[in-house]
Amino acid sequence: GAVVSQHPSRVICKSGTSVKIECRSLDFQATTMFWYRQFPKQSLMLMATSNEGSKATYEQGVEKDKFLINHASLTLSTLTVTSAHPEDSSFYICSARIDRVIEAFFGQGTRLTVV
Amino acid sequence: SQQGEEDPQALSIQEGENATMNCSYKTSINNLQWYRQNSGRGLVHLILIRSNEREKHSGRLRVTLDTSKKSSSLLITASRAADTASYFCALTTDSWGKLQFGAGTQVVVTP
Repeated sequence: GAVVSQHPSRVICKSGTSVKIECRSLDFQATTMFWYRQFPKQSLMLMATSNEGSKATYEQGVEKDKFLINHASLTLSTLTVTSAHPEDSSFYICSARIDRVIEAFFGQGTRLTVV
Repeated sequence: SQQGEEDPQALSIQEGENATMNCSYKTSINNLQWYRQNSGRGLVHLILIRSNEREKHSGRLRVTLDTSKKSSSLLITASRAADTASYFCALTTDSWGKLQFGAGTQVVVTP
C-alpha cells in the first residue's frame, strides 16, 4: 500500500517556541492531505484540509494563525504549531489521499509535548 | 466534528472469541470505513463499505451497513492477541474525502 511518512514521531519543546511537523507521501502524489489532532483515548479531530498549491481549509474552532499548514508539493505537507503552549500537547496525525481513491493513508503520528 | 458514535467504548475478550462493535451516525454518507489504531501509532485502513452495499468481508473481518438505521458493525472473528487496538469508523460525506471519525472502540484480546 501507499506509504505516508510523518516526522518527527516525538518532539518536546518549550512554551513559546514553534514546532514543525512534516508529512510526506513516499510513493505516490497526494492531491489532498489532512491534519488531525487526537487527545488520549479519544477520537481524531480534523483540523484542516490542504491541497497542493492552495491555502488550507481549517475546521471551525481551529486557529489558522496558530496551526500553519503548508502544502508546497504533491508529496509534502507541513504543520507548524506556532508559539506552542502546554495545552497544544497532543498527538498529531496526517493523512493523504490519492485522487479518486477513497482510502486515506495515515502517517505514524507525532507526539508533541510542550513544557 | 465527530459524526459517528461507536459502542461499546471498550471491549475485552479472550483469544478465539468474536468481537463486535457498532457505529451509528446521523448524516447521509458516501461510504463508511473502518480503521485500526495501535496505541500511539497512526491508523491503518481495514475495510470500506459503500452506501449501496450491505455487507463486506475481508479475511476475519465482516462489516455490515444499514443505511436505513444509519448504522454499521464490524465483526472480528476468531480474535487474536494481535487484534488488540482501537477501532474507529469513519464517514465520508463529501467529494474531498474528508473523514469524520467515530469515538472508537478499544479492544483488548487476552491470550
